[in-house]
Amino acid sequence: GENVEQHPSTLSVQEGDSAVIKCTYSDSASNYFPWYKQELGKGPQLIIDIRSNVGEKKDQRIAVTLNKTAKHFSLHITETQPEDSAVYFCAAMRGGADGLTFGKGTHLIIQP
Amino acid sequence: DTAVSQTPKYLVTQMGNDKSIKCEQNLGHDTMYWYKQDSKKFLKIMFSYNNKELIINETVPNRFSPKSPDKAHLNLHINSLELGDSAVYFCASSRNRGLGEQYFGPGTRLTVT
Repeated sequence: GENVEQHPSTLSVQEGDSAVIKCTYSDSASNYFPWYKQELGKGPQLIIDIRSNVGEKKDQRIAVTLNKTAKHFSLHITETQPEDSAVYFCAAMRGGADGLTFGKGTHLIIQP
Repeated sequence: DTAVSQTPKYLVTQMGNDKSIKCEQNLGHDTMYWYKQDSKKFLKIMFSYNNKELIINETVPNRFSPKSPDKAHLNLHINSLELGDSAVYFCASSRNRGLGEQYFGPGTRLTVT
């Protein structure tokens, strides 16, 4: 089955700086890679996703890049703000599969 | 409007009891899921349900059973609760099976004493 590794487990950055979270996956058949943000006491919220037919996708301050050859994808957050503090999860899924395989999460801390 | 809702938000019960968690989605999606988040925040798929077809993660004990009265609801029944069942349970839905873009509910924190 699919295995998703996520690094780092904790990331502390100064407000206004950029944050990068990296994930690798094992199943070359995976073709959908979402990122979720989870705030304390809430459910995971989909913030951006990418499919295997593109290499990069951007939405305002967040972007995701995908390297299919190396089987890794990354989340980039620029101009970080205090409200970006949360746990971020990457995930992977094959087409037609049932359910997402998640990484273990990254606790992002934005220092004022 | 809440897209995916769950009740209750908190559930405290004793070992051996039977309990249910309810989930409803108003997105018109065809596929619903249950995920378990353990104390280390690791999220793992338990079930997916699409058009009366249930796909079960092989690691889920048969004490857990999802039941879907209609396309908008997928409830989770748990029999003979054990201490290790304590976790946060999330319901999610997607437009169709395998199409990604899953939307999660707020979660139910289950504590078994």
